[in-house]
Amino acid sequence: GNSVTQMEGPVTLSEEAFLTINCTYTATGYPSLFWYVQYPGEGLQLLLKATKADDKGSNKGFEATYRKETTSFHLEKGSVQVSDSAVYFCALRRSSNTGKLIFGQGTTLQVKP
Amino acid sequence: GAVVSQHPSWVICKSGTSVKIECRSLDFQATTMFWYRQFPKQSLMLMATSNEGSKATYEQGVEKDKFLINHASLTLSTLTVTSAHPEDSSFYICSASGQGATGELFFGEGSRLTVL
Repeated sequence: GNSVTQMEGPVTLSEEAFLTINCTYTATGYPSLFWYVQYPGEGLQLLLKATKADDKGSNKGFEATYRKETTSFHLEKGSVQVSDSAVYFCALRRSSNTGKLIFGQGTTLQVKP
Repeated sequence: GAVVSQHPSWVICKSGTSVKIECRSLDFQATTMFWYRQFPKQSLMLMATSNEGSKATYEQGVEKDKFLINHASLTLSTLTVTSAHPEDSSFYICSASGQGATGELFFGEGSRLTVL
């Protein structure tokens, strides 16, 4: 079946540190891949996405590349800020079904000044 | 961007009562809405998919008589937790698509239900 696995958190970093949150997936066919962010007390927001292999999604300094050979979609940011503290969810969406999102378990990021 | 709003944002109820949670798309018509449940420190679990004017499609293991979903208009879907029990306490999140089931999804801010 389809599934998404993220690295366990929490991840605690100092401001301006480099961030990597690992995400791997299992899916049939060619899914679209997403990163969502959930700030404290708010709903999920789409951070970035990639719809085919080798695509790179980017937004707000975050990047992730769709790697089909390693079935991965790791999230990276070169220099994190305190305001990046949130829960990050990796997700996939099969292109041929009703559009349901399958989420990873979420990774909490804490950035300290 | 598109806005999806949920109400109430939090609710406390007594065991055995029913609770209704609303999900509204504020600036677009949502032909498809999804309801998720999020347990503490866990991922979102899809409960059901609702299409305007038709019956919701429930995921395996989700009791449709327990979690009633109504998508009566293109801007409103409701989730009613019937005869709530403490194990139903959770964070419920809706998402909506304005372009059918495969369009971009927008999420509500979530509703936290606590059953005493």
